[in-house]
Amino acid sequence: NAGVMQNPRHLVRRRGQEARLRCSPMKGHSHVYWYRQLPEEGLKFMVYLQKENIIDESGMPKERFSAEFPKEGPSILRIQQVVRGDSAAYFCASSLHPEGYTFGSGTRLTVV
Amino acid sequence: EDKVVQSPLSLVVHEGDTVTLNCSYEVTNFRSLLWYKQEKKAPTFLFMLTSSGIEKKSGRLSSILDKKELFSILNITATQTGDSAVYLCAVERTSGSRLTFGEGTQLTVNP
Repeated sequence: NAGVMQNPRHLVRRRGQEARLRCSPMKGHSHVYWYRQLPEEGLKFMVYLQKENIIDESGMPKERFSAEFPKEGPSILRIQQVVRGDSAAYFCASSLHPEGYTFGSGTRLTVV
Repeated sequence: EDKVVQSPLSLVVHEGDTVTLNCSYEVTNFRSLLWYKQEKKAPTFLFMLTSSGIEKKSGRLSSILDKKELFSILNITATQTGDSAVYLCAVERTSGSRLTFGEGTQLTVNP
């Protein structure tokens, strides 16, 4: 079991480009969570998904951010028209039940 | 809005010292409090606490929860340089499973 896999590990985008972050949960896990960590800050909840459903997106910015967890394939966090303030580490976690998280190693997004 | 406050934000000690990290919280419909260790990558799970007064222990690390006073402490005895990391505290509600994290305590253990 490879754990929660996130890719890419590092992503550099110019302002205005799109960023796509991928998360493959642990085998058999059907709950996926995305968190953002700004420099020198704790993790902030963004969105909670189960297969093909968004359960809680109360932490997602209203514009430019979207997330999906399709029936097949990884969960995707998509950021359109990135700005410098989007630079952060984005962590994905998965669980079998809604408890007992396992975190991935994160994607560090840098917007230049 | 749920709130988690950790203190101190930063701590520098020498190997062999004992440290106590603090976490206070305000949350609606509390379910559990969790401690994580983060070393420049994925947070790794340390403890989950749900009941007051019951100490959880793993090697040199231990933690306890006080649900009346709404706080938890994480103790590390005989610290080693490998304990240097950010220690994160998080709370979970009964409704839904999002975690609310504190800002973390940056622990540095010098040889």
